[in-house]
This record gives sequence, C-alpha cells and structure tokens, in this order.
Amino acid sequence: GEDVEQSLFLSVREGDSSVINCTYTDSSSTYLYWYKQEPGAGLQLLTYIFSNMDMKQDQRLTVLLNKKDKHLSLRIADTQTGDSAIYFCAESSGNTGKLIFGQGTTLQVKP
Amino acid sequence: GAGVSQSPSNKVTEKGKDVELRCDPISGHTALYWYRQSLGQGLEFLIYFQGNSAPDKSGLPSDRFSAERTGGSVSTLTIQRTQQEDSAVYLCASSRTVATNEKLFFGSGTQLSVL
Repeated sequence: GEDVEQSLFLSVREGDSSVINCTYTDSSSTYLYWYKQEPGAGLQLLTYIFSNMDMKQDQRLTVLLNKKDKHLSLRIADTQTGDSAIYFCAESSGNTGKLIFGQGTTLQVKP
Repeated sequence: GAGVSQSPSNKVTEKGKDVELRCDPISGHTALYWYRQSLGQGLEFLIYFQGNSAPDKSGLPSDRFSAERTGGSVSTLTIQRTQQEDSAVYLCASSRTVATNEKLFFGSGTQLSVL
C-alpha cells in the first residue's frame, strides 16, 4: 500500500541549511508535495514537484527527487527561526487530489 | 470565504457521546477532504468529496465515523459513541478540483479530546 516515511526531528542553527528527507512507496504518484504546519495552524503548501522532474528551486527552498529510490528531500537555505515548524511530505494517490502524508518532521531552529 | 473554516476549534466530550465537526470550504471549491492528525501519527486520510460524485470513504477507521456534504459546500464529520482513541486534531481541506496538481487549502482544525 501507499506509505510515506520521514524522520521525526531535525535541529539546526540559524543561518545553516536544513535538509528534510522523505521516502515514499507509490511509484505512480504524479506529484510530491511539501507542506508546512506552524503551531496551532493548519497545513500550508510550501512547494510541489512533478514526478518527471529531478529538482525544483523556489527562493530558499530546493526540492530534490530521486524517482528510482523514491526519495524526496527539501533543503531550506539560510534557515531562520521563523522556519521552525512541522514539515510534511505527501504523495498524490491515484488520479485524485487525495494525498498520503508522512508523519511530519519537526524542524527546530536555534538562534 | 477567505479560507477554510472549521468549528468548533476545540471540543471536549465524554466517552460514548456523539460529536459533530463542521467544515466550511473555500467558496467555489468542489473537492473537500477530512484528515485526522494524531500525536506522532502524521496525517491520516479519512474521506473526500468531489462535486456530486460518491465520496471516497476508504479512510474512515470504523462505522462510528460518517461524513456528509450538503449542497456541495459545508461538510459535517460525525463520530458516534466516541472513544478515547478518537482524540486527535481533525483537519478539513478543500481544493478547486480533485486533479492531482491541485493545491489543498487546510483549515486550522478541530482539537477533539475524549475523556
């Protein structure tokens, strides 16, 4: 079945780069997503990547996709304290907008 | 509305009682999703609605859970005879369609605590 796995916690210093990793199982996923959840708030889409792409860059965010290994990563350059949140990786299921989410990675940014 | 609205934001109930959670999607969004977020469990898909099509109920954990969407807009998630393991944050999301590249907009969730 579909499954998405993430490490649960990452701690970095302000100004460093953060790399959050994710593995997924559904090779037919058309899109893969990164969502951010700040305390007490709903999830917010950060970025997504089409499955035929290897990389997508959006300002401080870089998404890398290794389709062969079913591995997705999110790199945040020059991490700021405002980046502290839970980051969820998600894959699309079938031909619908239904998303399968990972457990979320809590990013802690120390000043 | 400006965003997805959920009510109540917090609900405390006693084991065995029924609860209803409400979601107001963004106006014009045809797809509506319910997810459950439990501590350490990530987001668990529950159900989604797309227009007038039959809903995908494949994620509902038991027959105590049901949901409806009236008039293609507001949705209500009902949990009957609540159990302590139902305690979680229930998140609603909507999107324009169910196309695979559609962005989901999430509400802030309802924190359900079953005592």
